Amino acid sequence: DAKTTQPTSMDCAEGRAANLPCNHSTISGNEYVYWYRQIHSQGPQYIIHGLKNNETNEMASLIITEDRKSSTLILPHATLRDTAVYYCIVRVYYNFNKFYFGSGTKLNVKP
Amino acid sequence: GAVVSQHPSWVICKSGTSVKIECRSLDFQATTMFWYRQFPKQSLMLMATSNEGSKATYEQGVEKDKFLINHASLTLSTLTVTSAHPEDSSFYICSASQSDVGINGYTFGSGTRLTVV
Repeated sequence: DAKTTQPTSMDCAEGRAANLPCNHSTISGNEYVYWYRQIHSQGPQYIIHGLKNNETNEMASLIITEDRKSSTLILPHATLRDTAVYYCIVRVYYNFNKFYFGSGTKLNVKP
Repeated sequence: GAVVSQHPSWVICKSGTSVKIECRSLDFQATTMFWYRQFPKQSLMLMATSNEGSKATYEQGVEKDKFLINHASLTLSTLTVTSAHPEDSSFYICSASQSDVGINGYTFGSGTRLTVV
Protein backbone atom coordinates (compact mmCIF):
# COMPACT_ATOMS: atom_id res chain seq x y z
CA ASP A 1 0.00 0.00 0.00
CA ALA A 2 0.99 3.61 -0.55
CA LYS A 3 3.40 5.00 2.00
CA THR A 4 2.86 8.63 1.06
CA THR A 5 0.41 11.41 1.80
CA GLN A 6 -0.12 14.47 -0.37
CA PRO A 7 -2.54 17.40 -0.42
CA THR A 8 -5.54 16.76 -2.61
CA SER A 9 -5.11 19.83 -4.77
CA MET A 10 -3.05 22.98 -5.24
CA ASP A 11 -3.25 26.05 -7.40
CA CYS A 12 -0.34 27.84 -9.00
CA ALA A 13 -0.09 30.90 -11.19
CA GLU A 14 1.45 30.44 -14.60
CA GLY A 15 5.12 31.34 -14.61
CA ARG A 16 5.49 30.92 -10.88
CA ALA A 17 7.18 28.06 -9.07
CA ALA A 18 4.96 25.18 -8.00
CA ASN A 19 6.00 23.46 -4.78
CA LEU A 20 4.31 20.14 -4.17
CA PRO A 21 4.84 18.53 -0.76
CA CYS A 22 4.80 14.86 0.14
CA ASN A 23 5.02 13.08 3.48
CA HIS A 24 6.61 9.64 3.68
CA SER A 25 7.33 9.30 7.38
CA THR A 26 7.69 5.48 7.31
CA ILE A 27 10.27 5.41 4.54
CA SER A 28 13.15 2.98 5.03
CA GLY A 29 16.78 3.84 4.56
CA ASN A 30 17.17 2.23 1.16
CA GLU A 31 13.86 3.26 -0.35
CA TYR A 32 13.78 5.80 -3.13
CA VAL A 33 11.23 8.55 -3.62
CA TYR A 34 9.80 8.94 -7.11
CA TRP A 35 7.61 11.59 -8.62
CA TYR A 36 5.30 11.00 -11.56
CA ARG A 37 2.53 13.00 -13.09
CA GLN A 38 -0.55 11.98 -15.00
CA ILE A 39 -2.28 14.17 -17.48
CA HIS A 40 -5.90 13.24 -18.05
CA SER A 41 -6.42 9.83 -19.67
CA GLN A 42 -2.72 9.18 -20.21
CA GLY A 43 -0.19 6.92 -18.55
CA PRO A 44 1.92 8.38 -15.74
CA GLN A 45 5.04 10.25 -16.80
CA TYR A 46 8.30 10.03 -14.87
CA ILE A 47 9.57 13.31 -13.45
CA ILE A 48 12.40 12.69 -11.00
CA HIS A 49 13.59 10.44 -8.20
CA GLY A 50 16.02 10.54 -5.29
CA LEU A 51 17.31 8.76 -2.23
CA LYS A 52 18.94 11.25 0.12
CA ASN A 53 20.34 14.14 -1.81
CA ASN A 54 18.47 16.85 -3.61
CA GLU A 55 18.10 16.22 -7.30
CA THR A 56 17.51 18.41 -10.34
CA ASN A 57 16.79 17.65 -13.95
CA GLU A 58 15.35 19.48 -16.89
CA MET A 59 11.81 19.10 -15.60
CA ALA A 60 12.00 19.71 -11.88
CA SER A 61 13.91 19.73 -8.62
CA LEU A 62 13.41 17.33 -5.74
CA ILE A 63 14.17 18.43 -2.21
CA ILE A 64 14.34 15.65 0.40
CA THR A 65 14.52 16.55 4.08
CA GLU A 66 17.49 15.36 6.06
CA ASP A 67 15.39 12.85 8.00
CA ARG A 68 13.87 11.71 4.67
CA LYS A 69 10.37 11.84 6.07
CA SER A 70 9.17 14.34 3.52
CA SER A 71 10.03 15.79 0.16
CA THR A 72 9.03 18.62 -2.13
CA LEU A 73 8.80 18.62 -5.88
CA ILE A 74 9.52 22.00 -7.42
CA LEU A 75 8.45 22.99 -10.91
CA PRO A 76 10.42 26.21 -11.32
CA HIS A 77 8.23 27.96 -13.88
CA ALA A 78 4.84 26.32 -14.12
CA THR A 79 2.98 26.44 -17.43
CA LEU A 80 -0.60 25.55 -18.25
CA ARG A 81 0.66 22.23 -19.63
CA ASP A 82 1.87 21.31 -16.16
CA THR A 83 -1.73 20.96 -15.00
CA ALA A 84 -1.92 17.32 -13.95
CA VAL A 85 -2.13 14.94 -11.00
CA TYR A 86 1.26 14.57 -9.36
CA TYR A 87 2.11 11.37 -7.53
CA CYS A 88 4.82 10.91 -4.94
CA ILE A 89 5.76 7.23 -4.65
CA VAL A 90 8.05 5.28 -2.39
CA ARG A 91 9.35 2.19 -4.10
CA VAL A 92 8.76 -0.75 -1.77
CA TYR A 93 12.18 -2.34 -1.73
CA TYR A 94 11.18 -5.38 0.32
CA ASN A 95 8.10 -6.08 -1.78
CA PHE A 96 9.50 -6.75 -5.23
CA ASN A 97 10.11 -3.06 -5.83
CA LYS A 98 6.46 -2.40 -6.46
CA PHE A 99 5.00 1.05 -6.97
CA TYR A 100 1.86 1.79 -4.98
CA PHE A 101 0.17 5.00 -5.92
CA GLY A 102 -1.38 7.25 -3.33
CA SER A 103 -4.11 9.72 -4.09
CA GLY A 104 -1.78 12.35 -5.56
CA THR A 105 -2.07 16.13 -5.82
CA LYS A 106 -4.08 17.78 -8.56
CA LEU A 107 -2.06 20.81 -9.61
CA ASN A 108 -4.07 23.50 -11.32
CA VAL A 109 -1.93 26.03 -13.14
CA LYS A 110 -3.91 29.17 -13.82
CA PRO A 111 -3.20 31.98 -16.27
CA GLY B 1 14.51 6.55 -23.60
CA ALA B 2 12.54 3.51 -22.60
CA VAL B 3 9.20 3.14 -24.31
CA VAL B 4 6.28 0.95 -23.29
CA SER B 5 3.53 0.43 -25.81
CA GLN B 6 0.01 -0.69 -25.00
CA HIS B 7 -2.52 -2.00 -27.45
CA PRO B 8 -5.33 -1.31 -28.01
CA SER B 9 -5.67 2.21 -26.67
CA TRP B 10 -9.39 1.72 -26.31
CA VAL B 11 -11.80 -1.17 -26.72
CA ILE B 12 -15.52 -1.69 -26.42
CA CYS B 13 -16.78 -5.21 -25.85
CA LYS B 14 -20.02 -6.95 -25.06
CA SER B 15 -20.73 -8.27 -21.62
CA GLY B 16 -19.59 -11.88 -21.26
CA THR B 17 -16.80 -11.70 -23.81
CA SER B 18 -13.06 -11.64 -23.15
CA VAL B 19 -10.63 -8.89 -24.02
CA LYS B 20 -6.86 -9.07 -24.35
CA ILE B 21 -4.59 -6.09 -23.73
CA GLU B 22 -0.95 -6.13 -24.80
CA CYS B 23 1.95 -4.39 -23.16
CA ARG B 24 5.28 -4.26 -24.98
CA SER B 25 8.65 -2.87 -24.03
CA LEU B 26 9.87 -1.51 -27.34
CA ASP B 27 13.57 -0.91 -26.81
CA PHE B 28 14.47 -2.88 -23.74
CA GLN B 29 13.84 -6.19 -22.07
CA ALA B 30 11.65 -6.33 -19.02
CA THR B 31 11.65 -9.35 -16.74
CA THR B 32 8.94 -7.71 -14.66
CA MET B 33 5.91 -5.74 -15.70
CA PHE B 34 3.09 -4.40 -13.61
CA TRP B 35 -0.59 -4.00 -14.35
CA TYR B 36 -2.74 -1.26 -12.89
CA ARG B 37 -6.40 -0.35 -13.04
CA GLN B 38 -7.77 3.15 -12.68
CA PHE B 39 -11.40 4.13 -12.22
CA PRO B 40 -12.56 7.67 -13.04
CA LYS B 41 -11.25 10.31 -10.65
CA GLN B 42 -9.32 7.72 -8.69
CA SER B 43 -5.67 6.80 -8.39
CA LEU B 44 -3.95 3.85 -9.99
CA MET B 45 -4.47 0.55 -8.23
CA LEU B 46 -1.84 -2.14 -8.61
CA MET B 47 -3.45 -5.35 -9.82
CA ALA B 48 -0.61 -7.75 -10.42
CA THR B 49 3.07 -8.28 -11.08
CA SER B 50 3.89 -10.06 -14.29
CA ASN B 51 7.07 -12.12 -14.30
CA GLU B 52 8.61 -13.46 -17.48
CA GLY B 53 8.51 -17.23 -17.54
CA SER B 54 6.56 -17.65 -14.33
CA LYS B 55 3.14 -17.10 -12.88
CA ALA B 56 1.94 -13.63 -12.17
CA THR B 57 1.43 -12.55 -8.58
CA TYR B 58 -1.80 -10.79 -7.79
CA GLU B 59 -2.59 -8.14 -5.24
CA GLN B 60 -5.08 -8.93 -2.52
CA GLY B 61 -8.63 -8.78 -3.77
CA VAL B 62 -7.78 -9.18 -7.47
CA GLU B 63 -9.28 -12.31 -9.04
CA LYS B 64 -6.58 -14.20 -10.88
CA ASP B 65 -9.09 -16.22 -12.88
CA LYS B 66 -10.76 -13.03 -13.98
CA PHE B 67 -7.62 -11.19 -15.00
CA LEU B 68 -5.31 -13.61 -16.77
CA ILE B 69 -1.74 -12.46 -17.20
CA ASN B 70 0.79 -14.01 -19.52
CA HIS B 71 4.41 -12.85 -19.77
CA ALA B 72 5.75 -15.15 -22.44
CA SER B 73 8.73 -13.08 -23.52
CA LEU B 74 11.01 -10.38 -22.18
CA THR B 75 9.18 -7.73 -24.18
CA LEU B 76 5.54 -8.73 -23.99
CA SER B 77 2.97 -9.14 -21.24
CA THR B 78 -0.73 -9.59 -21.86
CA LEU B 79 -3.73 -9.03 -19.63
CA THR B 80 -6.92 -10.84 -20.54
CA VAL B 81 -10.13 -9.74 -18.90
CA THR B 82 -12.30 -12.84 -19.02
CA SER B 83 -16.09 -12.79 -19.13
CA ALA B 84 -16.07 -9.02 -18.91
CA HIS B 85 -18.91 -7.20 -17.20
CA PRO B 86 -19.76 -3.51 -17.05
CA GLU B 87 -18.06 -3.18 -13.66
CA ASP B 88 -14.78 -4.16 -15.37
CA SER B 89 -14.94 -0.99 -17.42
CA SER B 90 -11.85 0.94 -16.47
CA PHE B 91 -8.52 2.35 -17.60
CA TYR B 92 -5.85 -0.36 -17.59
CA ILE B 93 -2.19 0.65 -17.52
CA CYS B 94 1.00 -1.39 -17.60
CA SER B 95 4.52 -0.47 -16.60
CA ALA B 96 8.00 -1.92 -16.96
CA SER B 97 11.56 -1.20 -15.96
CA GLN B 98 14.83 -1.49 -17.80
CA SER B 99 16.53 -2.72 -14.67
CA ASP B 100 15.48 -5.63 -12.52
CA VAL B 101 14.94 -3.51 -9.45
CA GLY B 102 13.44 -0.51 -11.14
CA ILE B 103 15.94 1.79 -9.57
CA ASN B 104 15.53 4.32 -12.34
CA GLY B 105 11.79 4.15 -12.12
CA TYR B 106 9.23 2.48 -14.28
CA THR B 107 7.99 3.48 -17.69
CA PHE B 108 4.26 3.40 -18.13
CA GLY B 109 2.22 2.62 -21.17
CA SER B 110 -0.36 5.05 -22.44
CA GLY B 111 -3.20 2.93 -21.10
CA THR B 112 -6.18 1.05 -22.47
CA ARG B 113 -9.70 2.30 -21.97
CA LEU B 114 -12.03 -0.70 -21.64
CA THR B 115 -15.77 -0.20 -21.91
CA VAL B 116 -18.02 -3.19 -21.41
CA VAL B 117 -21.57 -2.79 -22.71
